[in-house]
Amino acid sequence: GNSVTQMEGPVTLSEEAFLTINCTYTATGYPSLFWYVQYPGEGLQLLLKATKADDKGSNKGFEATYRKETTSFHLEKGSVQVSDSAVYFCALGLDSSGSARQLTFGSGTQLTVLP
Amino acid sequence: NAGVTQTPKFQVLKTGQSMTLQCAQDMNHNSMYWYRQDPGMGLRLIYYSASEGTTDKGEVPNGYNVSRLNKREFSLRLESAAPSQTSVYFCASGRTAHSNQPQHFGDGTRLSIL
Repeated sequence: GNSVTQMEGPVTLSEEAFLTINCTYTATGYPSLFWYVQYPGEGLQLLLKATKADDKGSNKGFEATYRKETTSFHLEKGSVQVSDSAVYFCALGLDSSGSARQLTFGSGTQLTVLP
Repeated sequence: NAGVTQTPKFQVLKTGQSMTLQCAQDMNHNSMYWYRQDPGMGLRLIYYSASEGTTDKGEVPNGYNVSRLNKREFSLRLESAAPSQTSVYFCASGRTAHSNQPQHFGDGTRLSIL
């Protein structure tokens, strides 16, 4: 079946530090890949996405590149801010039958950025 | 710009009670979803509706029922609540049911079953 594995948190960084959150996946077919962000007390918001191999998604200074050869979609940001503190979810958009109707989420990574 | 609205935001129930979680979206989206979020497990799909008039089971449908009342509204019902259903429930919508489309989430309903 399809699955997403994220690096375990929590991750604590100082402001302006470099961020990497690892995400690897297992899937049949050709999935789309997403990063969602959840701020405290809120629902998930789409942060970025990539729909095919070698695509780079980017938004708000965050980037992730769809690497088919390593089945990865790692999230990076060059200089984090306190306001980036949130839970980050990697997600895969393809179900096991290939009909592409369901998202499979990783377990989430809590990021805390200290001033 | 309401997006996806869920009610209630918080609820405490006793085991065996029933309740309905409401969800409405104002983006004219075709597909709608119900997820539950439990610590360390990400989000798991309970039910979804690819379009008005259709519903399908997701990963964890047992103990739940859904109704796609119209294009805007998608409700989730717990007929006989159990402590294992204590969770945060999220409703989401998408322009189409194809999962290469982003989904838009409500702020969640925090449900405790005693």
